[in-house]
Amino acid sequence: EAQVTQNPRYLITVTGKKLTVTCSQNMNHEYMSWYRQDPGLGLRQIYYSMNVEVTDKGDVPEGYKVSRKEKRNFPLILESPSPNQTSLYFCASSSPLMHRGTEAFFGQGTRLTVV
Amino acid sequence: GNSVTQMEGPVTLSEEAFLTINCTYTATGYPSLFWYVQYPGEGLQLLLKATKADDKGSNKGFEATYRKETTSFHLEKGSVQVSDSAVYFCALSLYGGATNKLIFGTGTLLAVQP
Repeated sequence: EAQVTQNPRYLITVTGKKLTVTCSQNMNHEYMSWYRQDPGLGLRQIYYSMNVEVTDKGDVPEGYKVSRKEKRNFPLILESPSPNQTSLYFCASSSPLMHRGTEAFFGQGTRLTVV
Repeated sequence: GNSVTQMEGPVTLSEEAFLTINCTYTATGYPSLFWYVQYPGEGLQLLLKATKADDKGSNKGFEATYRKETTSFHLEKGSVQVSDSAVYFCALSLYGGATNKLIFGTGTLLAVQP
C-alpha cells in the first residue's frame, strides 16, 4: 500500500530537549516536504527536498532542520524546541517534479506539544 | 505574492443540504488548483483537482470548476452526508516553479448533522 508514515503520532516534550520526527514514504517519490498546521493559518511549508542530499527552506524554517540521506526518509529535527513550535506537523511526498497537477500524499500527522 | 483565500468556518449543514465552500486565489503564474480533505485524526488527501481554466474536477459527488476570470475554485456538493464532515483545504501549485510546493488556504470545517 502506497503511504507516508510519520512517527510519533503524538509527542509532549520540554523546552530545549532535542527531538526528531521521522517520515518515510514507499512510493519512490523525489519530492518530500514538511508542513505545520496551525489554527487560522492553514498549512505552511517548513522545509522541502527535491532529492537525496538536496534540501531547502520553505516559508517557516526557523528552529527546524532536515536531512535527506536516503530517498525514502526525510526526518524533521528540532534542536531546541520552544513552545511556539507546538503544532500539528505533516510530512508529504509527491512525484513527478514540476508537473502540472502533481498530487501530494500526506502522512497522518504528528501532534507536538512543547511545554 | 501567491495566496489562497477560503471562507471561514465552521459550516454546519443538515444531511442532504447543498454545500458551497468558496475559494479564491492570487497567483503570479498559471496555477493548478486542488481541494484536499482532512478527516478527523487523519492526514490530508486529495479530493479533486483542475489544471487549466474551465476544467472541472470531480470526485465523490464533489465538484469544482477552475474559473480564471474570477480567480476562483469553489467546492460544491449537491447533497452532503454525515460522513462528509471534515476540514476542507483549497490549495494551488505553480507549474514551472522550482518545487512541487502547495500553497494552502486556512481550511474550512464542515459539520454535517443527521
